[in-house]
Amino acid sequence: DAGVIQSPRHEVTEMGQEVTLRCKPISGHDYLFWYRQTMMRGLELLIYFNNNVPIDDSGMPEDRFSAKMPNASFSTLKIQPSEPRDSAVYFCASSFYTARETQYFGPGTRLLVL
Amino acid sequence: KNQVEQSPQSLIILEGKNCTLQCNYTVSPFSNLRWYKQDTGRGPVSLTIMTFSENTKSNGRYTATLDADTKQSSLHITASQLSDSASYICVVSGGSASKIIFGSGTRLSIRP
Repeated sequence: DAGVIQSPRHEVTEMGQEVTLRCKPISGHDYLFWYRQTMMRGLELLIYFNNNVPIDDSGMPEDRFSAKMPNASFSTLKIQPSEPRDSAVYFCASSFYTARETQYFGPGTRLLVL
Repeated sequence: KNQVEQSPQSLIILEGKNCTLQCNYTVSPFSNLRWYKQDTGRGPVSLTIMTFSENTKSNGRYTATLDADTKQSSLHITASQLSDSASYICVVSGGSASKIIFGSGTRLSIRP
């Protein structure tokens, strides 16, 4: 298996633009997580899905952020409109069986909002 | 409040030396504790996962310990190598809402 795949790897955009981050989890994994990492706040869990259903979105910072998982092999995290404070590395991770099992992280998307 | 505190914040040691990283948590009820290694520019990679009944778990030169009574864990690295330079993140699962709580990490630098 190729592991968790994320795209794009880097994204530079201007404030106010819509940003869409994509993730393909490891095949067969039931859980998918979206994280944000910054120097100031470390790793933060934004939202996670179980069998394509959002379970906990309490980490989503505000209404500008939305996440979907239309099928077991694809998820998106959208920011609209983007702001400079959204600049961070966004990781997608997946795990098998339960949310407490080992999570396998993707390489991340480095987002810079100017 | 469920929290995970790691120390030190950063550490520099010479290649070949041993070191120990600390993780204290206040998460209750406790489910499990994981240590991740994160190389610069990459996603975290799991090193160990420990449940309430486990005191020690090893993964090569990495040995994690857990004291569920004092709510402390440590990660011991033996005979450090340059490739051990990374951030090490302690993650605790648990709490009344089954949360996953990340520590802020320890930045380890191995010097030749």
